[in-house]
Amino acid sequence: EDQVTQSPEALRLQEGESSSLNCSYTVSGLRGLFWYRQDPGKGPEFLFTLYSAGEEKEKERLKATLTKKESFLHITAPKPEDSATYLCAVLFTGTASKLTFGTGTRLQVTL
Amino acid sequence: GAVVSQHPSWVICKSGTSVKIECRSLDFQATTMFWYRQFPKQSLMLMATSNEGSKATYEQGVEKDKFLINHASLTLSTLTVTSAHPEDSSFYICSAEPPGPSYEQYFGPGTRLTVT
Repeated sequence: EDQVTQSPEALRLQEGESSSLNCSYTVSGLRGLFWYRQDPGKGPEFLFTLYSAGEEKEKERLKATLTKKESFLHITAPKPEDSATYLCAVLFTGTASKLTFGTGTRLQVTL
Repeated sequence: GAVVSQHPSWVICKSGTSVKIECRSLDFQATTMFWYRQFPKQSLMLMATSNEGSKATYEQGVEKDKFLINHASLTLSTLTVTSAHPEDSSFYICSAEPPGPSYEQYFGPGTRLTVT
């Protein structure tokens, strides 16, 4: 069964303290890996799509990388407004357009 | 670009009544739209996939007679929760996939349904 696992479940950082979030997936064939940010009571906001190992995408303080079995979301010098739940989703081969979501990492950035 | 709206953003209804939630892609045409349900502090659970002009495909365990989905145009999909009960109270989120090979889904802001 295709699975997506995110770690840590929760992360508390001080402002400026860089860190990485992990998303690992079963290696049964990946068509795309997606990162989203979700604020409480809101729908997920699209951040990045990665399609192949070695690919990297950047946006402001966020950088997403992909290997053959996992993806990292690196947060550089985070600010309190980066506090949110970060969701990873994978589109596996043979599943049409159905995304498999991880359970998310709740990030809190404090002053 | 790639904006998806939902209406209403929250709704309270009495047990036994039906509620309709609309999902619109505002700046692109979406041949495929998706409906998710999210419980507190949990991830998204796919309920169904809808394609314009055809019947929705429901995930295992989702009652198609309770959750009616209509995708009448390339920019509008609706979810109707029929004969709602308190256990149907949840956060419902739709997403839309633009045409092309990106597979990216763009999500609406969600609808909070409370059944009393």
